[in-house]
Order: sequence, then structure tokens, then C-alpha cells
Amino acid sequence: SQQGEEDPQALSIQEGENATMNCSYKTSINNLQWYRQNSGRGLVHLILIRSNEREKHSGRLRVTLDTSKKSSSLLITASRAADTASYFCATDEGTGTASKLTFGTGTRLQVTL
Amino acid sequence: ETGVTQSPTHLIKTRGQQVTLRCSSQSGHNTVSWYQQALGQGPQFIFQYYREEENGRGNFPPRFSGLQFPNYSSELNVNALELDDSALYLCASSWSRQETQYFGPGTRLLVL
Repeated sequence: SQQGEEDPQALSIQEGENATMNCSYKTSINNLQWYRQNSGRGLVHLILIRSNEREKHSGRLRVTLDTSKKSSSLLITASRAADTASYFCATDEGTGTASKLTFGTGTRLQVTL
Repeated sequence: ETGVTQSPTHLIKTRGQQVTLRCSSQSGHNTVSWYQQALGQGPQFIFQYYREEENGRGNFPPRFSGLQFPNYSSELNVNALELDDSALYLCASSWSRQETQYFGPGTRLLVL
């Protein structure tokens, strides 16, 4: 089953604008990760934020985590056409020897010129 | 490129048949996880193999089974295929304590 929902399901913006995607989850987590998927192919890891962190940056990406609300957001600043993809949040409950990820439903981002 | 490869890229089977999907993990990784992604959905965890042993399983029936070999490559086997098994099957490799997973390009399975 899916861990939670992502909002919006689809987002269309123009190049240069910022894109914000939200993710909600249901259980306690060890970390939350964001992945990108181009055209139904493999997923690419973007950024990881641990449960004791509130904000993290990587290049044009900014991720926030609010464990009290069980929610996270991904901000992509100054978007480019190449950012067009589906974005998924994934939670890791941190049990066992390696991550077992539970994914959200994804946000489809379309960046137009 | 993550260094994780999967074969075949596409596959068409009929209901009731059996299928084997293959995954070669990134060099140095000893853990392989398999995910099923139905159209328009997020990936769902099937199971994980660590050092040739199953190390956790999602909510999938026993007709989904797997293997991990000494070189840490892996197979996903699905018996008695059903129409709902049509999906993109993704494998991901990692080192045992590593939180980030590295995904292959996937195998798209169509069951008719």
C-alpha cells in the first residue's frame, strides 16, 4: 500500500518559476527521501532528510520535514524544462539492515518554455 | 546512470504463465530490493535480499519469489501471472547500512 499522498497530483509551470510539491505520510519514519522519475523509467535519488532534520538544501532543491504533521515539501527553484518529470516522496521506517522504501503517489511536473 | 541494470526491458506474457526478471546490482552493493509500479502509481515494495537471504517482504502473495546470487545479482520470479501483474518492475541496490537506493531502468511487463 502507499504510505501517503502527494499534492498536487499534477503541476504545470513556466520555466523560471518555482515548483512546490507536498507529501504526507502515516507512520513514524527514520528518514524521508525524494526521487525523480522520467517517463516511466528508473528513479533517481534527489535528496534525503532525516527525522531529526527540519530543512535541507541541495542545489536548486529545498526540502522541509515536519514530523509533527507527518508532512514534507519539495521546492524546486528557477525550474527548467529538464525538470519535467514525476516526483515521489519515499519514507524509510529504519527497521532492519537496509532501507525499505514506501512511496507516495507522486506529482507530475510539467515545465514549459 | 546508477550502474544497476535490468533485463529484459520489455516483456509480454499471457495469464497463467511464469516470468523471471533479472537485476545486476551496482558494484560493491550487497542488498537488492524489488518494487512494482503500476501505471500512474508510486512503486510498491515487493521484497529485499541481503547477502542471499530474504530480508523483508511487502504485501505480495507467495507466487512472487526471488533469489540473490553470490555476486549479489538478483532474480524476481512471478508464477501464475494475472492481468494485474502488468506493471513496471524496478530493482534497486544499496550497501547494507546505506539509506539511499540506486534504481535500475526497470522491466515493463504486460500480461494479456
